[in-house]
Amino acid sequence: SQQGEEDPQALSIQEGENATMNCSYKTSINNLQWYRQNSGRGLVHLILIRSNEREKHSGRLRVTLDTSKKSSSLLITASRAADTASYFCATAEYGNKLVFGAGTILRVKS
Amino acid sequence: DAGVTQSPTHLIKTRGQQVTLRCSPKSGHDTVSWYQQALGQGPQFIFQYYEEEERQRGNFPDRFSGHQFPNYSSELNVNALLLGDSALYLCASSLPSLSSYEQYFGPGTRLTVT
Repeated sequence: SQQGEEDPQALSIQEGENATMNCSYKTSINNLQWYRQNSGRGLVHLILIRSNEREKHSGRLRVTLDTSKKSSSLLITASRAADTASYFCATAEYGNKLVFGAGTILRVKS
Repeated sequence: DAGVTQSPTHLIKTRGQQVTLRCSPKSGHDTVSWYQQALGQGPQFIFQYYEEEERQRGNFPDRFSGHQFPNYSSELNVNALLLGDSALYLCASSLPSLSSYEQYFGPGTRLTVT
């Protein structure tokens, strides 16, 4: 079963615009991670936010975490065509087992 | 510094056959996890190996088995293949920690069962 559920399922924006993706989960977590996947290949780790953190930044990425609402959001600012990919949130359970959502497909048009 | 490597890249098998997929973890990592990703879905956890033992297992039948070698590399074996086993199989390596470090994924092996 999948814990994280991303919203929207697909997002299409123009280059230079911001992209926001949301993730909801069901159980208590140790941390939440966001990954990117290009063309059905391996996943690339983007950012990890721990359960005691509320916001984290990495370059053009901003992640927020609301443990009371069991939700997280990923903001990509000033998007580029190279950001076109699928984005997954994953919650980390005991022993580093990751539980992924179904993902958001982002398309950035140039 | 080599990242996670997987072989083969693609594989086509027939129903009922058996398949073995291989993974070498990132240098310095000793924990290997395997995930199955069906088309259009997120990865699903199969199992995790640490110190040559299966430490955790997801909701997959016994047809799925694995092994970890002393050099930390790992194999995923699937017996009696079904059409539904067609998927991208991802290997990820990490450091063992209860605080859950990020995982490094390989490029995957695309398995097609006909």
